[in-house]
Amino acid sequence: GAVVSQHPSWVICKSGTSVKIECRSLDFQATTMFWYRQFPKQSLMLMATSNEGSKATYEQGVEKDKFLINHASLTLSTLTVTSAHPEDSSFYICSALGQYNEQFFGPGTRLTVL
Amino acid sequence: EDQVTQSPEALRLQEGESSSLNCSYTVSGLRGLFWYRQDPGKGPEFLFTLYSAGEEKEKERLKATLTKKESFLHITAPKPEDSATYLCAVSNGYNKLIFGAGTRLAVHP
Repeated sequence: GAVVSQHPSWVICKSGTSVKIECRSLDFQATTMFWYRQFPKQSLMLMATSNEGSKATYEQGVEKDKFLINHASLTLSTLTVTSAHPEDSSFYICSALGQYNEQFFGPGTRLTVL
Repeated sequence: EDQVTQSPEALRLQEGESSSLNCSYTVSGLRGLFWYRQDPGKGPEFLFTLYSAGEEKEKERLKATLTKKESFLHITAPKPEDSATYLCAVSNGYNKLIFGAGTRLAVHP
């Protein structure tokens, strides 16, 4: 149980385009999901907390107009990177909150902006 | 300020050589300490949750323990497939996890 999927697993896009990443909890309902960013050999950096049916809460320094988050159902949250630039290239990971405060992570999405 | 510090930063072991990873934490109201394993290019895999001092949990060659200030992840007779980055995180009751920088473990045959 507690399986979280992400799609796509990797994406390459041109500078200025937008990219959508999906995060799904496959076998449980998640009212709260999280989006992280991870740079090589560094730990996870929380970008935002996504709550089903309400606006996401962004961490300090994260541009909410650039990283659009939608949590439209109890099993799906999406992250859209708008007007992507090379500095947005990174490994994006989502997680879903379990019933005992643990988080179950997806496999990650590697974004490369050319 | 809530904080998690992991040591060592990197650890190299021979197959079968047991060792421990350390996670020191300061948190205003611990709501859980979590251990994860992360392989390169993948998301973290949940291992254990510990809630109170004195608690211990085991899974195969891994055993996690908790005191009021730190947690240890003991690896008994490790195998090369145990090579990964091990992440420690704490929850302070606001649903967010505060992560340490991780310990990169390499087990050589």
